[in-house]
Amino acid sequence: AIRMTQSPSSLSASTGDRVTITCRASQGISSYLAWYQQKPGKAPKLLIYAASTLQSGVPSRFSGSGSGTDFTLTISCLQSEDFATYYCQQYYSYPQTFGQGTKVEIK
Amino acid sequence: QVQLQESGPGLVKPSETLSLTCTVSGYSISSGYYWGWIRQPPGKGLEWIGSIYHSGSTYYNPSLKSRVTISVDTSKNQFSLKLSSVTAADTAVYYCAAAAAAGFYFDYWGQGTLVTVSS
Repeated sequence: AIRMTQSPSSLSASTGDRVTITCRASQGISSYLAWYQQKPGKAPKLLIYAASTLQSGVPSRFSGSGSGTDFTLTISCLQSEDFATYYCQQYYSYPQTFGQGTKVEIK
Repeated sequence: QVQLQESGPGLVKPSETLSLTCTVSGYSISSGYYWGWIRQPPGKGLEWIGSIYHSGSTYYNPSLKSRVTISVDTSKNQFSLKLSSVTAADTAVYYCAAAAAAGFYFDYWGQGTLVTVSS
């Protein structure tokens, strides 16, 4: 199975900050990568697919980049509603696998 | 708008079979899409369990494959998960989800249901 490793596992940031989360795949996955946001007690919400395509309705402050093994999720100007846990997911091959998550907390 | 809702027992005894159903509204399962089950142990990350196409083709996580069965009931517009020989390690929130586009990322999710394995 392809292992997805996110860094950092958690971070503290302030409203208005620029935040970058990294996801690394244990082997190349082309651009078959999605990012999800999950708030406590809620289901994950799709933010980005195909590494850099913004899901309909997701604010443009979210962006994704990368291909192959290294990917990033950037939040350009952190808003209060963005404090959550973020997961990457590869869908290049079975089994589909998720990163361990990055929790974005209020500083 | 596709909506999904999980249902099933919230408590299962060790060694028994966990059975959950996902009822889909707003879309006919027989029309397409890729349907999946994902779980999340309390305080931990997400684990893909398996998926099924509208055609009935199934794909399972090798780590669970020997214990998992996913099926579709198009007449009820539902798909189901069965996980046999459960242990405490199977305690988790179970989500059903749908991948509408050509890729296998999940753009629609149910609210999730907590299943506890305990005697």
